[in-house]
Amino acid sequence: DAMVIQNPRYQVTQFGKPVTLSCSQTLNHNVMYWYQQKSSQAPKLLFHYYDKDFNNEADTPDNFQSRRPNTSFCFLDIRSPGLGDAAMYLCATSRRTGGPGRFGQPQHFGDGTRLSIL
Amino acid sequence: QKEVEQNSGPLSVPEGAIASLNCTYSDRGSQSFFWYRQYSGKSPELIMFIYSNGDKEDGRFTAQLNKASQYVSLLIRDSQPSDSATYLCAVNVGAAGNKLTFGGGTRVLVKP
Repeated sequence: DAMVIQNPRYQVTQFGKPVTLSCSQTLNHNVMYWYQQKSSQAPKLLFHYYDKDFNNEADTPDNFQSRRPNTSFCFLDIRSPGLGDAAMYLCATSRRTGGPGRFGQPQHFGDGTRLSIL
Repeated sequence: QKEVEQNSGPLSVPEGAIASLNCTYSDRGSQSFFWYRQYSGKSPELIMFIYSNGDKEDGRFTAQLNKASQYVSLLIRDSQPSDSATYLCAVNVGAAGNKLTFGGGTRVLVKP
């Protein structure tokens, strides 16, 4: 089955120690997204790739970086995790919308990576 | 002002009843509306999407859209205990339409 796969499911890291979360997809979607979701809150978009074009949200901290080496893979790097970065990190993919004014495409989520900071 | 608003709940419904969830949005330019279901500790799962005014039905779920009033709703008929979850409303934003803004979610509890 075509799907979005996130690894690992659970990640524990130490305060200040860099961590990388990965996402792969077999849906061949053009757009990949990274969200942060804290308990009882809505998912918050960090950034997204439209093909290879990187789009950062204005309020995403510099501590968060991303790489998309090819269509199938996308990585989230947290350079110096703080206690406030403990959250569920969600990767999602979608087809391209077709341009301004066109209908948005549904986003399909992976199972998420729950990050804990010691 | 939040861009997408939902009542946080919990919305408690007896098994077999209809659950009615509402969502309002602020961007009149939004054209695409999505409902996701999220079980505790899990990732969001797409239930339905709707683009046009009116109703769209899929099994026990019906999405209703009223662009003039800027609201979208979700009806769950014959509610089951397995429907107990948080339901997230999402609306496309931005000129290219790729991005979604999520509401805070409505927690639904279906009691046997």
